Amino acid sequence: AQSVTQLDSHVSVSEGTPVLLRCNYSSSYSPSLFWYVQHPNKGLQLLLKYTSAATLVKGINGFEAEFKKSETSFHLTKPSAHMSDAAEYFCVVSGQKLVFGTGTRLLVSP
Amino acid sequence: NAGVTQTPKFQVLKTGQSMTLQCAQDMNHEYMSWYRQDPGMGLRLIHYSVGAGITDQGEVPNGYNVSRSTTEDFPLRLLSAAPSQTSVYFCASSYGAGEATDTQYFGPGTRLTVL
Repeated sequence: AQSVTQLDSHVSVSEGTPVLLRCNYSSSYSPSLFWYVQHPNKGLQLLLKYTSAATLVKGINGFEAEFKKSETSFHLTKPSAHMSDAAEYFCVVSGQKLVFGTGTRLLVSP
Repeated sequence: NAGVTQTPKFQVLKTGQSMTLQCAQDMNHEYMSWYRQDPGMGLRLIHYSVGAGITDQGEVPNGYNVSRSTTEDFPLRLLSAAPSQTSVYFCASSYGAGEATDTQYFGPGTRLTVL
């Protein structure tokens, strides 16, 4: 069975500072992992995905995530936050089905 | 190319009423699914389909029916609405017949309130 834990329900940063959204997973398979973003009143959009190729995955809008098997983590980072990054972010693990984390709301202040 | 479309965007129902949430995609995707999103709970899978004529239950199927008569359409039916079904509903689709590695394309959602 798969599960995913997003360690922070809310993260607040200032514009121009780094972003770190944390995700730990559990999987009995070699997992596929995803990060999706949801802007207010919108559907979810894929940011990036890991499918057992390179462990450092680059996504859209300057985001990247590193798959660390020894730590069972797949944290999402961005060097410099922008106001438009304010949204909810979901970490997702996939085996036979997608399992969504509970989400992390990113707040960006000027 | 409209992607995944959902109608209506908003709906208010009374307890016991029935309705159908519509979902359509124009990308010729085999896999389609319905999720509900509740505060603090992420997205939970209601029903899914791996192709026309084939549907199966997800994590929270009770109170919902689906059918897949065409590749493009995947409607979700609420048989007798209950307040516990107040939620935001998302339809998603992907190329493959499974979702293990395929990017999911999500519709904009339907916000349903049951009084």
